Amino acid sequence: RKEVEQDPGPFNVPEGATVAFNCTYSNSASQSFFWYRQDCRKEPKLLMSVYSSGNEDGRFTAQLNRASQYISLLIRDSKLSDSATYLCVVNRRSSNTGKLIFGQGTTLQVKP
Amino acid sequence: EPEVTQTPSHQVTQMGQEVILRCVPISNHLYFYWYRQILGQKVEFLVSFYNNEISEKSEIFDDQFSVERPDGSNFTLKIRSTKLEDSAMYFCASSGGRLAGGTGELFFGEGSRLTVL
Repeated sequence: RKEVEQDPGPFNVPEGATVAFNCTYSNSASQSFFWYRQDCRKEPKLLMSVYSSGNEDGRFTAQLNRASQYISLLIRDSKLSDSATYLCVVNRRSSNTGKLIFGQGTTLQVKP
Repeated sequence: EPEVTQTPSHQVTQMGQEVILRCVPISNHLYFYWYRQILGQKVEFLVSFYNNEISEKSEIFDDQFSVERPDGSNFTLKIRSTKLEDSAMYFCASSGGRLAGGTGELFFGEGSRLTVL
């Protein structure tokens, strides 16, 4: 079983749509959680951290359910520039080792 | 904005040759990492480096791989005898650790694409 699982998509949505991505992780000892964005053939960039209480950053909302080992990302009012691959990322430890475990990513295509 | 820089952006090499990939992490960061991404696959952890030594490495990071911080700014990944399956994008990353408030707040370089023929 993969340690971090995501639906690879692609998700094809029109501009202005709301889209949600889900992710599950298998290691219950995982300590910290993130969404990264990766554009084609570019480096991953941190989109947002994910907290148990849920957190929002503009059009983006992230949720964490530790009991179900489930992480979600909601994007409202999609823009063309949101087209990218969204990576669910987990850190096994609370220390700053930075050993991140990446999911395979979910591809989003926003169409005009 | 400070950034992680990597060279070369693309290197083509013959199987069995040695390759050195170079990285300049963000200057006040304390933790350094190499990750790789084979085309079409997920990003995979290779190694983390702190206080001039390896703090953790994955099973991918075998005896063919080594890392070094030869001076105060560069962080290098050496592959001693490249194999076809080493073809991938290699990302360097750095983090400030607690100073950046950051478990997992890694900043990645743009990557070095390695093609082994």
